[in-house]
Amino acid sequence: EADIYQTPRYLVIGTGKKITLECSQTMGHDKMYWYQQDPGMELHLIHYSYGVNSTEKGDLSSESTVSRIRTEHFPLTLESARPSHTSQYLCASSERGGSSYEQYFGPGTRLTVT
Amino acid sequence: KNQVEQSPQSLIILEGKNCTLQCNYTVSPFSNLRWYKQDTGRGPVSLTIMTFSENTKSNGRYTATLDADTKQSSLHITASQLSDSASYICVVSDRGSTLGRLYFGRGTQLTVWP
Repeated sequence: EADIYQTPRYLVIGTGKKITLECSQTMGHDKMYWYQQDPGMELHLIHYSYGVNSTEKGDLSSESTVSRIRTEHFPLTLESARPSHTSQYLCASSERGGSSYEQYFGPGTRLTVT
Repeated sequence: KNQVEQSPQSLIILEGKNCTLQCNYTVSPFSNLRWYKQDTGRGPVSLTIMTFSENTKSNGRYTATLDADTKQSSLHITASQLSDSASYICVVSDRGSTLGRLYFGRGTQLTVWP
């Protein structure tokens, strides 16, 4: 099991609230990723980071933002949550970039916006 | 368009039986193919990773095959156990970018009954 953690695991929140999903890894990995996954659907990359002070948008457009101030920490923020943001959010990390490196996933945060 | 298709969408088998899950992909240029196991409410965990030159790879009761010519892969599970109940996701990576973009299938939901 990889050392990558996400909190909270479950969150139910009202429309308009600001939320931050936390992701931390203790492996010293440079690359970190955020994916969004709806039930029965594939994972979609929404943000990634090559390292400290590096953030990029992924394939799926998202109203969320991310920051990478420390290597081990990659939080995701929604300024004003909406029901359309209801989904599972998975954080991952890898030692390097490139296709040959394993991505390790956190347990996910199940977000429900009412 | 880079795509990963999995079949069947869901599968129910009895404990102790074998099963085979299928994956077809159109990702190009191909780098590697991975099979992940995702338990309900958890993040995906890697089972196998295969490069272009590898035809088969085993991990305990899990055996993955790859035919890079036909762009097909299969995951065979031997002597299934109740703990095998999960979603099995086929993931293909391209080598066309430094990110090593991953393309995810929607998964096969396997249920093992006692």
